[in-house]
Amino acid sequence: GAVVSQHPSWVICKSGTSVKIECRSLDFQATTMFWYRQFPKQSLMLMATSNEGSKATYEQGVEKDKFLINHASLTLSTLTVTSAHPEDSSFYICSARDSTGGNYGYTFGSGTRLTVV
Amino acid sequence: DQQVKQNSPSLSVQEGRISILNCDYTNSMFDYFLWYKKYPAEGPTFLISISSIKDKNEDGRFTVFLNKSAKHLSLHIVPSQPGDSAVYFCAAETPAGKSTFGDGTTLTVKP
Repeated sequence: GAVVSQHPSWVICKSGTSVKIECRSLDFQATTMFWYRQFPKQSLMLMATSNEGSKATYEQGVEKDKFLINHASLTLSTLTVTSAHPEDSSFYICSARDSTGGNYGYTFGSGTRLTVV
Repeated sequence: DQQVKQNSPSLSVQEGRISILNCDYTNSMFDYFLWYKKYPAEGPTFLISISSIKDKNEDGRFTVFLNKSAKHLSLHIVPSQPGDSAVYFCAAETPAGKSTFGDGTTLTVKP
């Protein structure tokens, strides 16, 4: 089945630094990938839609200059949290859909636990 | 305005019995509905889905029912097993493929 690999699985960084999270579709091409954020005991909140070869589409309230998204190839999207602050600490998850495989659900990465100290 | 709601944050059932997880939505533009299962510190795993043109979809122990007039869907798990214990999210999707998630229901299946 479709596999989405997300790295790192966890990261601790100092306040003010930047962190890059990678999301790769391993055995399929994804022209669109999605980035979510989850706070404890809350739902997955869509942050942005990553489009291969073009600018990402951000949801209302999400700072595009803070959460930089790059979708340089059909198998890789990256999310960079710039100038991270403790309030950015969260669980970030990416997803993609293999439209050719007959699987109608999105495949999610394993998530990245970001802790900003 | 929360477009997808799972009003029960938790559910506890006995092994072997039926688990029923509920989900309500408000946006009539949603045309596809999905259920995901999630363990702590992991990404969600797709479980089962249903198109808005159907009212039932079954896959093994999992059945999803859709009542469009009531804007309500439910996931039935029967028989429930301890390994089913997880957080279950329902998601509703627009024709453009954008998903909105409910807050999740934590299911505990007791042996």
